[in-house]
Amino acid sequence: AQTVTQSQPEMSVQEAETVTLSCTYDTSESDYYLFWYKQPPSRQMILVIRQEAYKQQNATENRFSVNFQKAAKSFSLKISDSQLGDAAMYFCAYRSARNTPLVFGKGTRLSVIA
Amino acid sequence: DAGITQSPRHKVTETGTPVTLRCHQTENHRYMYWYRQDPGHGLRLIHYSYGVKDTDKGEVSDGYSVSRSKTEDFLLTLESATSSQTSVYFCAISEHSSDTQYFGPGTRLTVL
Repeated sequence: AQTVTQSQPEMSVQEAETVTLSCTYDTSESDYYLFWYKQPPSRQMILVIRQEAYKQQNATENRFSVNFQKAAKSFSLKISDSQLGDAAMYFCAYRSARNTPLVFGKGTRLSVIA
Repeated sequence: DAGITQSPRHKVTETGTPVTLRCHQTENHRYMYWYRQDPGHGLRLIHYSYGVKDTDKGEVSDGYSVSRSKTEDFLLTLESATSSQTSVYFCAISEHSSDTQYFGPGTRLTVL
């Protein structure tokens, strides 16, 4: 079974600085999708960024980018120019094929210090 | 945002009581999912549906049942609630042509 590991239960970053959240996963599949979701105190799950495994180029969305290392099964999230609104729980998630359920990591709680 | 609503948003109930949570979507998406979120566990899959009357179990399905009689509604039932089912429950939807799941606002359930 696929597993997703987030080794950092908590992280903190100064406002305007850069922070990287780690995620590793285990799979025997060659084609899959990876996601980062943000959960602010409102509890809403918000998609931050997604990566298709067959694409070598790392995905970017404004201040958010990923470092996807397929051979190492690593999928880290970099947040640049951190803002107070970035404070949230961040979940890494994996799915092996279209519309199969997601497998989540346990999450990393990010604090942003003003 | 995807049109997904969950009801109720909060519920407190007693052990042994039946509870039904509803997920309603206006997107006409084929796939629907129920997850539960607990501290230290992330989100875990309870059940999912790949069409009307087509459902399958997830990682933590014991004590839960689901039904999907029409595309827009996916019901999660706790036949006899236990304290271990105190959790936040999320519904999610996705379409066949998309790799992304979109989540509802969640339901916080407390079983006393």
